[in-house]
Amino acid sequence: GQNIDQPTEMTATEGAIVQINCTYQTSGFNGLFWYQQHAGEAPTFLSYNVLDGLEEKGRFSSFLSRSKGYSYLLLKELQMKDSASYLCAVTDSNYQLIWGAGTKLIIKP
Amino acid sequence: NAGVTQTPKFRILKIGQSMTLQCTQDMNHNYMYWYRQDPGMGLKLIYYSVGAGITDKGEVPNGYNVSRSTTEDFPLRLELAAPSQTSVYFCASRGTSEAETQYFGPGTRLLVL
Repeated sequence: GQNIDQPTEMTATEGAIVQINCTYQTSGFNGLFWYQQHAGEAPTFLSYNVLDGLEEKGRFSSFLSRSKGYSYLLLKELQMKDSASYLCAVTDSNYQLIWGAGTKLIIKP
Repeated sequence: NAGVTQTPKFRILKIGQSMTLQCTQDMNHNYMYWYRQDPGMGLKLIYYSVGAGITDKGEVPNGYNVSRSTTEDFPLRLELAAPSQTSVYFCASRGTSEAETQYFGPGTRLLVL
């Protein structure tokens, strides 16, 4: 079957760095997305990785290792507004997105 | 551009009632999707469409129907609502490339009592 694993919840301190991990087992791989979802709102796009390595976008970076079926999202200089759920999603061999359950990130002052 | 719009924002249905969730996008996207999201869970694909006149089932299609008569509109029909269909429903669209992000509507919160 297809499976994406993320921690259910993480807590971090304002101004710190946090790494959210995602491991996947899917039928084929055609890219991995990270989305941010604030409570009661729709998911919004953060990053896309299809090749191994690190993609950096301001305070957010995303890393992919296809051989290990592993990705992480790194958030630096955490702000209170970063409190949200972070969803990992993989495009499978049928070009459908398979979604993880999301990681709820709680930022404390 | 309004992006992806959904109506209604919130609805309460009685068991056995029917309703249509509306979804419209103005980005000329061929691909459109309907998801449901239960509390603390990821998104589950209900139906999707790769263009006008073409629809296909996703992971959890039972109890739902869709149509795609135009590029812009992708309504989701619930027949004989059941409490298990209580959820938040998101419509999304994307362009041609699978590397492109999906753009989501604001969601419809449905409660079936």
